[in-house]
Amino acid sequence: DQQVKQNSPSLSVQEGRISILNCDYTNSMFDYFLWYKKYPAEGPTFLISISSIKDKNEDGRFTVFLNKSAKHLSLHIVPSQPGDSAVYFCAASWGYGNKLVFGAGTILRVKS
Amino acid sequence: EPEVTQTPSHQVTQMGQEVILRCVPISNHLYFYWYRQILGQKVEFLVSFYNNEISEKSEIFDDQFSVERPDGSNFTLKIRSTKLEDSAMYFCASSDEGGKDTQYFGPGTRLTVL
Repeated sequence: DQQVKQNSPSLSVQEGRISILNCDYTNSMFDYFLWYKKYPAEGPTFLISISSIKDKNEDGRFTVFLNKSAKHLSLHIVPSQPGDSAVYFCAASWGYGNKLVFGAGTILRVKS
Repeated sequence: EPEVTQTPSHQVTQMGQEVILRCVPISNHLYFYWYRQILGQKVEFLVSFYNNEISEKSEIFDDQFSVERPDGSNFTLKIRSTKLEDSAMYFCASSDEGGKDTQYFGPGTRLTVL
């Protein structure tokens, strides 16, 4: 199932700088997109979501951008902090059952 | 802050045995889900549950799997006859009336089938 793709397995960023995590999707029926953070041996923690009718949503240090024509979304974290080091998952949902389709994840390392 | 809880944190079982994984969703939530993540693979949807019935299920969720909300607080996943390939982290999630834009996950149960 390749409907949601995160093509960068890992990203390394200096503390204080911007982290940009990318996600592509193929299913034009998706109507909500979500970002989750996950530490080892823990469940995914919800970060931020965006409806397909918007192109930007912001919450504190986290901003998600959606480009529907390109079927692409990105998560910006500014400024990055060492505690942000985790695996970041992009997910998308559609349909009555609200199931989430996840990407493979990107490992973010923020260096101090 | 309300959170989804899951028990046990780790379950070891023999192939062919039945297991029940338990979840307590956030109290005012109406939608409930099970997902799993096999080591090194993506998080995969198993089933969604609303208004005391299954809303949607994946191809993984075959006759060996069942879900139940036995009371007002618990949500369970039963695997009747476990297989080696059922070894995974199983995550429960819940969401409120809106459902689509926010699902909150529990810490997971690691199931090991020997």
